[in-house]
Parts: sequence; C-alpha cells; structure tokens
Amino acid sequence: QSALTQPASVSGSPGQSITISCTGTSGDVGNYNFVSWYQHHPGKAPKLMISEVSKRPSGVSNRFSGSKSGNTASLTISGLQAEDEADYYCCSYAGSDTYVFGTGTKVTVL
Amino acid sequence: QVQLVQSGAEVEKPGASVKVSCKASEYTLTGYYMHWVRQAPGQGLEWMGWIYFNSGGTKYAQKFQGRVTMTRDTSISTAYMELSRLGSDDTAVYFCARDPGSLGYFDLWGRGTLVTVSS
Repeated sequence: QSALTQPASVSGSPGQSITISCTGTSGDVGNYNFVSWYQHHPGKAPKLMISEVSKRPSGVSNRFSGSKSGNTASLTISGLQAEDEADYYCCSYAGSDTYVFGTGTKVTVL
Repeated sequence: QVQLVQSGAEVEKPGASVKVSCKASEYTLTGYYMHWVRQAPGQGLEWMGWIYFNSGGTKYAQKFQGRVTMTRDTSISTAYMELSRLGSDDTAVYFCARDPGSLGYFDLWGRGTLVTVSS
C-alpha cells in the first residue's frame, strides 16, 4: 500500500487561504468517503481536524474545511493564523480494514 | 481529562522485541478500536494496524504481518503493541490512536513513545 501523495510544503501569509491536496487511487481516496485530516505539532499528539472527507469535529475552528474530487482530497485553511503552522496528514480507508496515511505537508505561516 | 497515556521511551538492541502500552484515562475503551501508527525520524505517519477492544480482533498492515502483535487488557483499559525482530529502521515514535467506530478516523491520540533500536 503506497502512501497518499501530499505536497511537502505549503506556505501563506496570515489571513490568506491555503489548500493542501492528498492524492490517492481508486482503491482508497477515490472509493471511500473515509478521508480524515490531522494536525501535528512535533512532540505533541496529532489532532483530528476533519473526518469523513468534510466533517469538522466539535472544537475545531470553522476555518478548516475538507473536500474530495475523484482520487484527490483537499484540506483548506482559511484566514491563516500563526498557530496553524504545523504538519498536516491526510488518511484514507484503503479497503479490507486497512488505512493509509499521506506523506505529510509542512504548513508555514510567513 | 480524557487522554491516552503511553509508556515511556525504550532503547532496544537489533533483533529484540519491544512492547508499548497505551492506557485510557477517565474512560473505558470498550466499543472502540485502537490503532497504532508510527513516525520514523524525518518521515511521515505510517499505519500499523488496529485492535478491537471488545473482542480483541486485530488487523495488521501487510508490512508488519508476522512481526507485530496487538493485545489489550480490558480490566485496565490498556492496549499494547509488541514489535519483534527489531531493526534500525524500526526506530520511530509509536502512537496509539482511538477510533470510535471504524469510521475511518482517529479522534484521540497518545503523545507517542520513542523506540530507539541501537546496538
């Protein structure tokens, strides 16, 4: 099972919007609406930001949104803030009770 | 405060085994799946497998089949991940992550356990 493909880094200025892509295949992202996104500050526990493609858990800012088209899922962060600087990972169900993570994206707030 | 508390850092020699624990504080893990995910230095997250707390049923990533064993102790709401025949490429931070119902997401994570494999 190959990792989902994410850009290594994305940057933006405070207040801007950025989008992180997550490209898989018809065997994972393209076939299931079980794509989730995680924010990870090194040394801390990862945090769930989006579940089931576009659902935002309680307590997560509405500046975070998720979507999917074909084999590519996306996470958009609007109104970028300094605290959003972190690593972001997508994850997809890949069939047969297995899961696969993305390669990870480092978000830098300029 | 609801959290997953993992065991402390480990240093093991190549060929040895390591067992990492993950305890739920303030609640029971009954009804949940517990996944294990690792992150090697400078690398991304890698899914290793899950255990269903009710039955003890497991599913492992093909990469770790034959080397990983996930167990649980329901009496103390603790999950375990044992990895055998360690190599240097198993040096990583190992996370446990709670799955509330096999809906493909992990709503609570531990802070990770660093396992270093070194001779």
